[in-house]
Amino acid sequence: DTAVSQTPKYLVTQMGNDKSIKCEQNLGHDTMYWYKQDSKKFLKIMFSYNNKELIINETVPNRFSPKSPDKAHLNLHINSLELGDSAVYFCASSQTEREAFFGQGTRLTVV
Amino acid sequence: GQQVMQIPQYQHVQEGEDFTTYCNSSTTLSNIQWYKQRPGGHPVFLIQLVKSGEVKKQKRLTFQFGEAKKNSSLHITATQTTDVGTYFCGRNYGQNFVFGPGTRLSVLP
Repeated sequence: DTAVSQTPKYLVTQMGNDKSIKCEQNLGHDTMYWYKQDSKKFLKIMFSYNNKELIINETVPNRFSPKSPDKAHLNLHINSLELGDSAVYFCASSQTEREAFFGQGTRLTVV
Repeated sequence: GQQVMQIPQYQHVQEGEDFTTYCNSSTTLSNIQWYKQRPGGHPVFLIQLVKSGEVKKQKRLTFQFGEAKKNSSLHITATQTTDVGTYFCGRNYGQNFVFGPGTRLSVLP
């Protein structure tokens, strides 16, 4: 049983399109996150959400928006995709101040 | 403010040599966690340190938390090719979970 699953694994799309990445965790964790990993392997936090509060990294463009239908899901919507959005996006979850469990990642390529 | 720094950024070692990566913070850390990401994979949790001066071992890996709880290290004894990957330190506080830039380890056979 996959603890944190995200789909799709690969996503190739044209500039200007809108796309979504889905994430689900079955660990009962109270907090979920989205990270962007660039080619230099930096893990940059984009959002965290614990069913009560959404924390947004102020450097994230407002073209990116998280949507949480329930505490087990945190999907990522991206509008008007740009070339610079190409990266690997990781979903993760944790209990407060405990270890994080990561999804397999979604490699987004914008052409 | 809440960032953690890591050095070195890259490390190339010959198989059998030792390897150490260091994590530093300008503020006191309530905890520090270490993760390993294999090439093409996702970060996987290794360990969490909480107490001042804490030392934990996992086979050839030794993790230390500084007395002032502002720095930490991961030491690998006698590296193997299976140790290849990027090692991240991270801090989880409240709803914010930030990682250092990582140390990318390559092991030459």
